[in-house]
Amino acid sequence: QLQLQESGPGLVKPSETLSLTCTVSGGSISSSNYYWGWIRQPPGKGLEWIGSIYYSGNTYYNPSLKSRVTISVDTSKSQVSLKLSSVTAADTAVYYCARSVTLYWYFDLWGRGTLVTVSS
Amino acid sequence: QSALTQPASVSGSPGQSITISCTGTSSDIGNSNLVSWYQQHPGKAPKIIIYEGHKRPSGVSSRFSGSKSGNTASLTISGLQAEDEADFYCCSYADNWVFGGGTKLTVL
Repeated sequence: QLQLQESGPGLVKPSETLSLTCTVSGGSISSSNYYWGWIRQPPGKGLEWIGSIYYSGNTYYNPSLKSRVTISVDTSKSQVSLKLSSVTAADTAVYYCARSVTLYWYFDLWGRGTLVTVSS
Repeated sequence: QSALTQPASVSGSPGQSITISCTGTSSDIGNSNLVSWYQQHPGKAPKIIIYEGHKRPSGVSSRFSGSKSGNTASLTISGLQAEDEADFYCCSYADNWVFGGGTKLTVL
């Protein structure tokens, strides 16, 4: 059973860079059928897509976050990484790693999420 | 890229049917059949319940159904059950993914 697990610091200082890793286990990250993405949810609020990456490294980013976001993939470690620079309190959220199915473009598998708080 | 518009809340009694709307524009929902719906229980990750506007993944109850007309997609839940109480999100893919603001379903 394929699983996604987010990991990284739970507390980040304002103006610093948020870094998270999603580890894929129980299956291949190099499948041509999927993209791997990050989605966030501020406390008590809705979902926001951050960006997605193909195993080859092709990326799509939310235009509103594009200037601050970098998503990368390490197929040897079955990991997808997220970096969000110059964070503010508005970036406090639960960050989810999720798999999307190509052609149909929906998120069929999600990690449990990790809460990141931006505070000094 | 604006969020899709959903009602903040809907409610219904057990056994009834409810519909949640999701309004976008001709650039997203109106231009794509790639609308998906997610159910999220408190403290849990979202779960896919509808994709391509009306298709259900394996294991999802047939009480959930989806449709689309113009720039608006809809999710209908029939035969409401207490376990359906959750937040629901629509999502449209048209080069990028855009989510709705979410709708809280209360089963009275």
